[in-house]
Amino acid sequence: DVVMTQSPLSLPVTLGQPASISCRSSQSLVNSDGNTYLSWFQQRPGQSPRRLINKVSNRDSGVPDRFSGSGSGTDFTLKISRVEAEDVGFYYCMQATHWLPITFGQGTRLEIK
Amino acid sequence: EVQLVESGGGLVRPGGSLRLSCAGSGFSFSPYWMSWVRQAPGKGLEWVARIKPDGSEEHYVDSVRGRFTISRDNAKNSVFLQMNNLRAEDTAVYYCARGVGVDYWGQGSLVTVSS
Repeated sequence: DVVMTQSPLSLPVTLGQPASISCRSSQSLVNSDGNTYLSWFQQRPGQSPRRLINKVSNRDSGVPDRFSGSGSGTDFTLKISRVEAEDVGFYYCMQATHWLPITFGQGTRLEIK
Repeated sequence: EVQLVESGGGLVRPGGSLRLSCAGSGFSFSPYWMSWVRQAPGKGLEWVARIKPDGSEEHYVDSVRGRFTISRDNAKNSVFLQMNNLRAEDTAVYYCARGVGVDYWGQGSLVTVSS
């Protein structure tokens, strides 16, 4: 199975400041079709996960443009340009390139300092 | 608006069975793979199973293969998860999600396995 490793696991951020979460995979996530199936999810307290980013850098519908994704191969990053109070929660990366099974990172807890 | 609504969770004893249901609306259900993902209390996300649009192919995580069965009824826009021989470690919120890429998720259904 592909292991997804996130860092940091806890991220205290001041309102209005940027935040960055790293995700590394144990194997390349480049698929034979040329796509890289790396997604990012947000889970606010008491809510279901919501997909923010698909295929490394594509924002899902309705996702604010302060969220951006980047990376390639085995190294990926989620950035929030200016953290808002509603961004508090857990963030997970997920790979679906090696889809048996798809795997998630351990999660990063974002909190306001 | 895409909606997924799970039902069927509850408290069950070890070795028991439970069947989860998920009803989809707001999108054309039949062309999509459908998935189940679970989250143990205070833990991260774990993919559990998925089923092909026509129901002809099923995939499972190793820890549930042989005990869980995923199925679907496209006429009723529904997907199901039959869980047999349940163990304490199966205790989790079970989410139904759309597609291989799990782009939309339901609100979840809590399954508690305890004596």
